[in-house]
Amino acid sequence: DTGVSQNPRHKITKRGQNVTFRCDPISEHNRLYWYRQTLGQGPEFLTYFQNEAQLEKSRLLSDRFSAERPKGSFSTLEIQRTEQGDSAMYLCASSYARTFGYGYTFGSGTRLTVV
Amino acid sequence: GEDVEQSLFLSVREGDSSVINCTYTDSSSTYLYWYKQEPGAGLQLLTYIFSNMDMKQDQRLTVLLNKKDKHLSLRIADTQTGDSAIYFCAELGGSYIPTFGRGTSLIVHP
Repeated sequence: DTGVSQNPRHKITKRGQNVTFRCDPISEHNRLYWYRQTLGQGPEFLTYFQNEAQLEKSRLLSDRFSAERPKGSFSTLEIQRTEQGDSAMYLCASSYARTFGYGYTFGSGTRLTVV
Repeated sequence: GEDVEQSLFLSVREGDSSVINCTYTDSSSTYLYWYKQEPGAGLQLLTYIFSNMDMKQDQRLTVLLNKKDKHLSLRIADTQTGDSAIYFCAELGGSYIPTFGRGTSLIVHP
């Protein structure tokens, strides 16, 4: 297992287009988190799943954002009708519930640029 | 709600010790983490401390926790140029969702 994998690494899209990102967590991790990071800021929580259930969503997650985790394995984050303010690094992290001491393993992120 | 504060910049000379400070507000925090982020990369877990501990040492890293003041620090001994990065403090509260600070940019001068 090579850790948390995110694809694509970079995405440039025109305003108004839809984009989808994928995250493959560490296989034995049952929790998966999406964060957004803008320049000069720390990661901001968007949503998280335990297995296939989406347990919490941040107020930051507008109606244009949707996340899925079918079968409790990989996850996708879709942004519809992108806006320039959506430009950010989108980070995925995974963990195994009850092992908080091992922290949360992050992927390298997907950098989205909306032009 | 939860809030995590860090100073934004720290500059040190190679070989000196670096101390990065963090304050948090969630009194129900159970775990506190330090992550490192290099340019263009994701976050790498450096170390963590459980809330019933006041100190943890891991090679060149020492974490101090003052739970009464909700203050966390990370000391890096013998700082090297390869330690230059952004360091994030994060706390895990009752929601089990880590909350991150804005990060401290550590610059190490040769």
